[in-house]
Amino acid sequence: ELKVEQNPLFLSMQEGKNYTIYCNYSTTSDRLYWYRQDPGKSLESLFVLLSNGAVKQEGRLMASLDTKARLSTLHITAAVHDLSATYFCAVDGYNFNKFYFGSGTKLNVKP
Amino acid sequence: EPEVTQTPSHQVTQMGQEVILRCVPISNHLYFYWYRQILGQKVEFLVSFYNNEISEKSEIFDDQFSVERPDGSNFTLKIRSTKLEDSAMYFCASSEEGEKNIQYFGAGTRLSVL
Repeated sequence: ELKVEQNPLFLSMQEGKNYTIYCNYSTTSDRLYWYRQDPGKSLESLFVLLSNGAVKQEGRLMASLDTKARLSTLHITAAVHDLSATYFCAVDGYNFNKFYFGSGTKLNVKP
Repeated sequence: EPEVTQTPSHQVTQMGQEVILRCVPISNHLYFYWYRQILGQKVEFLVSFYNNEISEKSEIFDDQFSVERPDGSNFTLKIRSTKLEDSAMYFCASSEEGEKNIQYFGAGTRLSVL
């Protein structure tokens, strides 16, 4: 079964700092998704990465995909408190009928 | 903006009772999914549904679970005889056909089995 691993699982950082969340997956896939979840809320789509070398940026978040290394990164630049949430990466199943989610990275940005 | 809606937001039930969780996917979407998330854990796939039939299901989705699209808009998940370990947040999602395959999630139903 396809496995998706994220690290770190918990991240506490100061406002203004930069950090990167890593997402590794176990088998070939050209599509990777990043979601944000606030406590008690649903998953909000952040990025869709559709090919090797894809890079997407939105505000202080930038996501990239290296399909050869089976690795995606979510980079946070100059963090602000509003970014505090849990971030999940997800990979398509073999026949695109389901997502495999990572365990999530709980980000706490301290003022 | 179109969204996936789920009802109820919170369902409390006694062990052994049947529950039906309801979802209205985004209207032009063709693929529907149920996931669950036990408190503090990752989101786990349960089942996907396309063209009025199950296209894939996980090991979690045993005989106690069923899904149905009773009309053109609703998509339901039924648990026949709930167990304590069924307590979780259940998310419905839908996606349209196309390269991106983005799944849009509802706000979830928190199921508490007592």
